[in-house]
Amino acid sequence: DQQVKQNSPSLSVQEGRISILNCDYTNSMFDYFLWYKKYPAEGPTFLISISSIKDKNEDGRFTVFLNKSAKHLSLHIVPSQPGDSAVYFCAALIISNFGNEKLTFGTGTRLTIIP
Amino acid sequence: NAGVMQNPRHLVRRRGQEARLRCSPMKGHSHVYWYRQLPEEGLKFMVYLQKENIIDESGMPKERFSAEFPKEGPSILRIQQVVRGDSAAYFCASSHQGQDQPQHFGDGTRLSIL
Repeated sequence: DQQVKQNSPSLSVQEGRISILNCDYTNSMFDYFLWYKKYPAEGPTFLISISSIKDKNEDGRFTVFLNKSAKHLSLHIVPSQPGDSAVYFCAALIISNFGNEKLTFGTGTRLTIIP
Repeated sequence: NAGVMQNPRHLVRRRGQEARLRCSPMKGHSHVYWYRQLPEEGLKFMVYLQKENIIDESGMPKERFSAEFPKEGPSILRIQQVVRGDSAAYFCASSHQGQDQPQHFGDGTRLSIL
């Protein structure tokens, strides 16, 4: 049962334009949503997160939008740069009494920025 | 660099052998998580540990796999009697105690079974 889904396996965007990566989820109990970026042969790098009680979080060129009613979130990167070419994973977690719990990942979207 | 350290980066084993993967969390982090990534798939949660305690092992296969995070030293993911299907990239992450603390990942151990 894939609780976090990234339906686009790949995306190509011209340098300088906006990149929009999408993610859908099915579990309404998720408390936080996160985006990670991954280069080949490296571990995922945390980019940005958003609490389920918010609808937008912005950090520099990265903005994450959350639509709880649609169970959908998106990551906007503007302007896109060649170094943004990587695989982007959407992830979600449920906060427990122990603190952070396991991350549930989507299958990733490979973003290619065209110079 | 005080990031999450995993070793070895690459590990080759023959079927039936044991594999030991090590993870040293970031300084000050008391939570450790192990994930597995199969080719063309996302990362799948395996186990969540705090010092000397397994908090959640719901993602661990019932047999052959075990994990520990002792009071001193790194966290160890141990796979006994490895099979071809164990070939994957294994990632460790760590975080601080508390809500909304992001997990920081190591660069993974790529396990290949001959």
